[in-house]
Amino acid sequence: NAGVTQTPKFQVLKTGQSMTLQCAQDMNHEYMSWYRQDPGMGLRLIHYSVGAGITDQGEVPNGYNVSRSTTEDFPLRLLSAAPSQTSVYFCASSPTGLNFYGYTFGSGTRLTVV
Amino acid sequence: KQEVTQIPAALSVPEGENLVLNCSFTDSAIYNLQWFRQDPGKGLTSLLLIQSSQREQTSGRLNASLDKSSGRSTLYIAASQPGDSATYLCAVRNDYKLSFGAGTTVTVRA
Repeated sequence: NAGVTQTPKFQVLKTGQSMTLQCAQDMNHEYMSWYRQDPGMGLRLIHYSVGAGITDQGEVPNGYNVSRSTTEDFPLRLLSAAPSQTSVYFCASSPTGLNFYGYTFGSGTRLTVV
Repeated sequence: KQEVTQIPAALSVPEGENLVLNCSFTDSAIYNLQWFRQDPGKGLTSLLLIQSSQREQTSGRLNASLDKSSGRSTLYIAASQPGDSATYLCAVRNDYKLSFGAGTTVTVRA
């Protein structure tokens, strides 16, 4: 099983550029989410989805867009990158309801905005 | 808004000593609590999941307790080893949202 796959692993952007962070899972999980991790602050929820076609905002959604057209994929789009978006980004997935057994995380994307 | 606090922020112990890591949360209406391990520059590895109806979970040398009414969980690691050196994160789930503490960084000295 590949689990949760994130690409790219590293990325450097210039201020104002846009890009998409990819997240794919092969476990048929209904729930997927994006977090950012900053030093001393723990992980903070950006956006999440409970199924294809359904998304919602988390704690820090500004500057990010998501969509969920398939169960497997949940891309995160940075519309106009800012230095404040320099962070490590993690994607997570889980089953829902009675099948829940915890969250599975990807290995992360380290993003630097200069 | 759920607030999750982990104390201490860092811990250094000699090999063989037992570890006690604390996690507290402000909203007791949680579905479950999950403990993760994170090695430097790596992703999160799940250690233990405790459902809201459970009081504890055990896996090998790891034991996690949950007192939902007081908003506390404790992770015990018995007979620590240098390979246990990592950052340990606790996360609580409310509805579909997972809230994390900032973590406890553990160093086990050989």
